[in-house]
Amino acid sequence: GAVVSQHPSWVICKSGTSVKIECRSLDFQATTMFWYRQFPKQSLMLMATSNEGSKATYEQGVEKDKFLINHASLTLSTLTVTSAHPEDSSFYICSAPDRGGTDTQYFGPGTRLTVL
Amino acid sequence: AQSVTQLGSHVSVSEGALVLLRCNYSSSVPPYLFWYVQYPNQGLQLLLKYTSAATLVKGINGFEAEFKKSETSFHLTKPSAHMSDAAEYFCAVSERRAQKLVFGQGTRLTINP
Repeated sequence: GAVVSQHPSWVICKSGTSVKIECRSLDFQATTMFWYRQFPKQSLMLMATSNEGSKATYEQGVEKDKFLINHASLTLSTLTVTSAHPEDSSFYICSAPDRGGTDTQYFGPGTRLTVL
Repeated sequence: AQSVTQLGSHVSVSEGALVLLRCNYSSSVPPYLFWYVQYPNQGLQLLLKYTSAATLVKGINGFEAEFKKSETSFHLTKPSAHMSDAAEYFCAVSERRAQKLVFGQGTRLTINP
C-alpha cells in the first residue's frame, strides 16, 4: 500500500524559532498534499492544501505567513512554522491522495511539535 | 459546506460485544465517506470508504459501515469487539475523490475485558 512519511516525528523548540516539517510520499506521486493540525483529544482540522508547482491554498483563519508551505516536488511537501510560540504546540499530520486507482487519502504518522 | 457529527465522544463495550459508532453527515453534493482509526501518537489508518458504489461497505479488521442516504448516516459496526480495537475513530466526508476531508469530532472506543 501507499506510504506517507513525516520527519521529524517529534520536535521541541524554543519560542521564536522556526521549525520545518517534511511530508513525503514514498511510493507514489502526489500533486496535492494536505496539512492538518490536531490538538490533544480533538479532531483534525485542515490547515492548507499543498499544490505541487503552485501556491498553497489556506483554510480560513490560518495565517499564511506563519505556516509556510512549499510543495517542491511530486513526493515532498514541507510545512514551516515560523516564529513558533507555545500556542503552536500541536500534532501536525499530512496526507496525500493516491491516484493510482484507489483515490484514497494516506496519512503520515504525524509530527508532535512542542514550543517552550 | 460539509460537516460530520459523531454521536458519542466515548463508547465503551465489552470484549466480544457489538461495536456501533455513529456518524451523520451533511453535504450539498453526493458525499464520499470514510472511517479512519487512530492509535495514540500515530497518524490515521483507513478502515473503509464509501464512494457511491455498494451502500454496505466492508473494511479491514472486521469493520463495516452502511451508507443510508435517507438518514444521512454512515455508522460503523463490528460484530465482536477485540481488545486491539481500542482507539480513536474518526468519520470524514469529502466532496470529491482525493480531496480534502472534513472530520467529525472523533469517538474514543474502550474495550472492557
